[in-house]
Amino acid sequence: DSGVTQTPKHLITATGQRVTLRCSPRSGDLSVYWYQQSLDQGLQFLIQYYNGEERAKGNILERFSAQQFPDLHSELNLSSLELGDSALYFCASSKITGSHTEAFFGQGTRLTVV
Amino acid sequence: GENVEQHPSTLSVQEGDSAVIKCTYSDSASNYFPWYKQELGKRPQLIIDIRSNVGEKKDQRIAVTLNKTAKHFSLHITETQPEDSAVYFCAASTAGANNLFFGTGTRLTVIP
Repeated sequence: DSGVTQTPKHLITATGQRVTLRCSPRSGDLSVYWYQQSLDQGLQFLIQYYNGEERAKGNILERFSAQQFPDLHSELNLSSLELGDSALYFCASSKITGSHTEAFFGQGTRLTVV
Repeated sequence: GENVEQHPSTLSVQEGDSAVIKCTYSDSASNYFPWYKQELGKRPQLIIDIRSNVGEKKDQRIAVTLNKTAKHFSLHITETQPEDSAVYFCAASTAGANNLFFGTGTRLTVIP
């Protein structure tokens, strides 16, 4: 167990709908990353938050948004869902120590858009 | 931003042989290079990492080398076993930016 908790584990929804994925980072980790992994694909960086503020943005669609709350948990909101949004969404958290950034991943949320 | 390229995308080896996966990065400010292993249906997990002040690091059958001048780093797995079969991701990170940029992954298959 990495200490990073993601809910729900599975989500099935229809096109055009909106969903929220939740991530609780490891205790003490200030940084949260969101990644999208489509079938047999790599890890596509979406967005990163650090202590409540957006730190970096990757290939995140305008239909997607995220936030990190004062208790450091994070939510990824996906709206106007399309079939191509079906993927495994990972959250990772890290504790900034010195000069490196070791990240621990949650078990992922598998989103299926039908 | 940082761009990490990883090769090969797939790799098949006989059990007991060695496997080598190579990555290049673009940002000379990157100074931390972790490797993650993702077994089928599971989360990526850190298996080894190297910092820019070190050229090589070993952990049992796994080793990572770093060439800062050429901006490339490699994962070496010796005496491969079937349980080494997984997707391996390299990543690069820059201190201060606190981002992790991943390569596209290598699917390693160890044939018994």
